[in-house]
Amino acid sequence: DAGVIQSPRHEVTEMGQEVTLRCKPISGHDYLFWYRQTMMRGLELLIYFNNNVPIDDSGMPEDRFSAKMPNASFSTLKIQPSEPRDSAVYFCASSLFVPGANVLTFGAGSRLTVL
Amino acid sequence: AQSVTQLGSHVSVSEGALVLLRCNYSSSVPPYLFWYVQYPNQGLQLLLKYTSAATLVKGINGFEAEFKKSETSFHLTKPSAHMSDAAEYFCAVRLNNNDMRFGAGTRLTVKP
Repeated sequence: DAGVIQSPRHEVTEMGQEVTLRCKPISGHDYLFWYRQTMMRGLELLIYFNNNVPIDDSGMPEDRFSAKMPNASFSTLKIQPSEPRDSAVYFCASSLFVPGANVLTFGAGSRLTVL
Repeated sequence: AQSVTQLGSHVSVSEGALVLLRCNYSSSVPPYLFWYVQYPNQGLQLLLKYTSAATLVKGINGFEAEFKKSETSFHLTKPSAHMSDAAEYFCAVRLNNNDMRFGAGTRLTVKP
């Protein structure tokens, strides 16, 4: 398996533009997580899905952020309109539920810079 | 609410010295605990996990962690640091609803 695949790896955009980050989880995994990492706030959970259904989106900063998972092999995180404070590395991770302990497998991340 | 606290945002050791990265958890029930490592410009990778099977957990790259209920701790250790261990390390706890919460991270620097 190629692991969790995220695209783009780097994105530079101007304030006000729409940004779409993409994630392909590991085949067969039933959980998908979106995290944001910044120097100031560390690693924050934004939202996670179970079997394509959003379970907890309490970490989504505001209405400018939205996430979808139309099928088991694809998820998007959209920011519209983007702001400079959204600059961060966004990680997608997936896991397979196993009684005992889930292990998250992370993608390489998407580094977003909003000018 | 379950959470983890990592003591020390930055730890510096000499090559060959003991590595000790501290993590304390707060949980009203036996937790599932993890250590992840992040190398520069990469995603997080699992080092080891505690699932109540054994209190001393061995992970990859010579790391291990000991679950101590009396101290609510899950510190990460390695007897002899290597230059390649330089990275950021995250302690994490799995919540009852299956999501994962991470500590703030500890950046490990290894001096030659």
